[in-house]
Amino acid sequence: DVKVTQSSRYLVKRTGEKVFLECVQDMDHENMFWYRQDPGLGLRLIYFSYDVKMKEKGDIPEGYSVSREKKERFSLILESASTNQTSMYLCASRQGLAGGPQNEQFFGPGTRLTVL
Amino acid sequence: KNEVEQSPQNLTAQEGEFITINCSYSVGISALHWLQQHPGGGIVSLFMLSSGKKKHGRLIATINIQEKHSSLHITASHPRDSAVYICAVWSGNQFYFGTGTSLTVIP
Repeated sequence: DVKVTQSSRYLVKRTGEKVFLECVQDMDHENMFWYRQDPGLGLRLIYFSYDVKMKEKGDIPEGYSVSREKKERFSLILESASTNQTSMYLCASRQGLAGGPQNEQFFGPGTRLTVL
Repeated sequence: KNEVEQSPQNLTAQEGEFITINCSYSVGISALHWLQQHPGGGIVSLFMLSSGKKKHGRLIATINIQEKHSSLHITASHPRDSAVYICAVWSGNQFYFGTGTSLTVIP
């Protein structure tokens, strides 16, 4: 079974703190993604990475950065957390970017982050 | 502008009812996915479609490429089907997600 794991299910941080969200996948996938999910807005792409040390901005990268030093690990960093970053954060991975069944996307369990 | 629109947003059904969730999209796609998200957050893929119809147990998914429309049907609904169902299309190199349909099945 493909496993995408995230370091925390629930996280509470204070405004201004630096926050690290970790994601690990065990299927040697090339591509990894970070999304946030908010009521009424659905999932929105923050950043994705198509290879080690490679990254692309998604739709809402402001206030976030990412790191991919190893193929299996993709980290999302909130440099200075703010209350409007309170959300559910979901990591995902897939092998290729074509749309076929060989490139099914797998999601992690999510991290519910609250910034006070 | 939402590339993927789902309806209804919320749905309550009695156990045993037949349920339909609809999805319309406006972009060219290489695949359409139906995803299920249970309380707690984890998302699992139910179906990946590029044409026609797929069936898995009590779930049926259809897609009409010309009309840019897909439906997810649940036959003989059960309380364990209660979840958020998300339509997502893969276009270019990214997913576009609907906002989800929250389904509650009452015993």
